[in-house]
Amino acid sequence: GAGVSQTPSNKVTEKGKYVELRCDPISGHTALYWYRQSLGQGPEFLIYFQGTGAADDSGLPNDRFFAVRPEGSVSTLKIQRTERGDSAVYLCASSSGTGGEQYFGPGTRLTVT
Amino acid sequence: AQSVTQLGSHVSVSEGALVLLRCNYSSSVPPYLFWYVQYPNQGLQLLLKYTTGATLVKGINGFEAEFKKSETSFHLTKPSAHMSDAAEYFCAVTKGDSSYKLIFGSGTRLLVRP
Repeated sequence: GAGVSQTPSNKVTEKGKYVELRCDPISGHTALYWYRQSLGQGPEFLIYFQGTGAADDSGLPNDRFFAVRPEGSVSTLKIQRTERGDSAVYLCASSSGTGGEQYFGPGTRLTVT
Repeated sequence: AQSVTQLGSHVSVSEGALVLLRCNYSSSVPPYLFWYVQYPNQGLQLLLKYTTGATLVKGINGFEAEFKKSETSFHLTKPSAHMSDAAEYFCAVTKGDSSYKLIFGSGTRLLVRP
């Protein structure tokens, strides 16, 4: 079956612009996670959704970052007024329930110039 | 708070040699421990996990890891390296079955020499 998909695979944007990153989880998975992986580092937790609601957004670095999951399936991570320090690979994962095995997508590589 | 330390950002072995990737964790509660592998341009793939019970855990592709509470370690091993094992490996910890937040180490890149 289909795994987690993320679009776009690569995104180059200028400093100060707005970007949206999309995640399509595995069908039927109620839990969805966003992580950020900076160069040479392991992934860092950003936000966790259970259904439509953000159950934990404690990893979002500041108020320029926001994520939604309006119908409990697809999620969009939104970054306003991008900065060069936002350059990283943004990973999405989903699981069949809280604490279940997380299945990761291939990531979106964001480059802010 | 949970944390993970992976010793060695790069490990190089010859094909057929033993693979040993080190992971030490810090946790205030009994942890769940994971090893993930990341191939270029692919998502993280779960190799194995420890939750409770038997401390020697076997995973996919011939990998195994042993949970040693006294040493707070969860090292990953494979008896004989294959060229296809070349990838980045991440150790991760959560606070047990109720936690969703994976805390990752900084990763170890495994190079396999022919």
